Amino acid sequence: GAVVSQHPSRVICKSGTSVKIECRSLDFQATTMFWYRQFPKQSLMLMATSNEGSKATYEQGVEKDKFLINHASLTLSTLTVTSAHPEDSSFYICSAGRPGQGLDSPLHFGNGTRLTVT
Amino acid sequence: QQPVQSPQAVILREGEDAVINCSSSKALYSVHWYRQKHGEAPVFLMILLKGGEQKGHEKISASFNEKKQQSSLYLTASQLSYSGTYFCGTGVKSYKLIFGSGTRLLVRP
Repeated sequence: GAVVSQHPSRVICKSGTSVKIECRSLDFQATTMFWYRQFPKQSLMLMATSNEGSKATYEQGVEKDKFLINHASLTLSTLTVTSAHPEDSSFYICSAGRPGQGLDSPLHFGNGTRLTVT
Repeated sequence: QQPVQSPQAVILREGEDAVINCSSSKALYSVHWYRQKHGEAPVFLMILLKGGEQKGHEKISASFNEKKQQSSLYLTASQLSYSGTYFCGTGVKSYKLIFGSGTRLLVRP
């Protein structure tokens, strides 16, 4: 079964509103989660690394004030797209690796959230 | 920096073989391979680590040339279910994975 759950799977919102996406690790405590964005027919681009109990680390070019990440517990990270615009429409997907295993083990991905901003 | 994959796309007939390559400009700690079907989450296929260790599915093989910072994924006797987009992910020093440009594979009956 799924080890990472992401919600919602689809969301349509109006331009200027904010949208929150949740990512939960179901059977392990994830001190680190990753948020990716994927445009149609393109690769998964890492947006930020979410760290439990501390600030997220954003990749170059990603606006931290627009994409707010909160990792308040060991099983939940949230991504809030603030003041969404049509160009933010994309597939957002979270992932987590089992703690202590670093890159020696696979990442577990959520099923993604298709965001459409009208 | 994003690793480069080749080819960008490949079409096979069921039962044929394919090789997908992944090349990085940075020294690598590990290489991951995932397959993604349209609108779905990536699915883990294989991990290759420095020193030669591999973890993954029995029916899929891969190689990792640490010196050249390259990896190749070998798909043999392809099945229809192999269709999808294949991504390599390269792990550098820090605990994060950067995905390659992707290779779209279509297997036809």
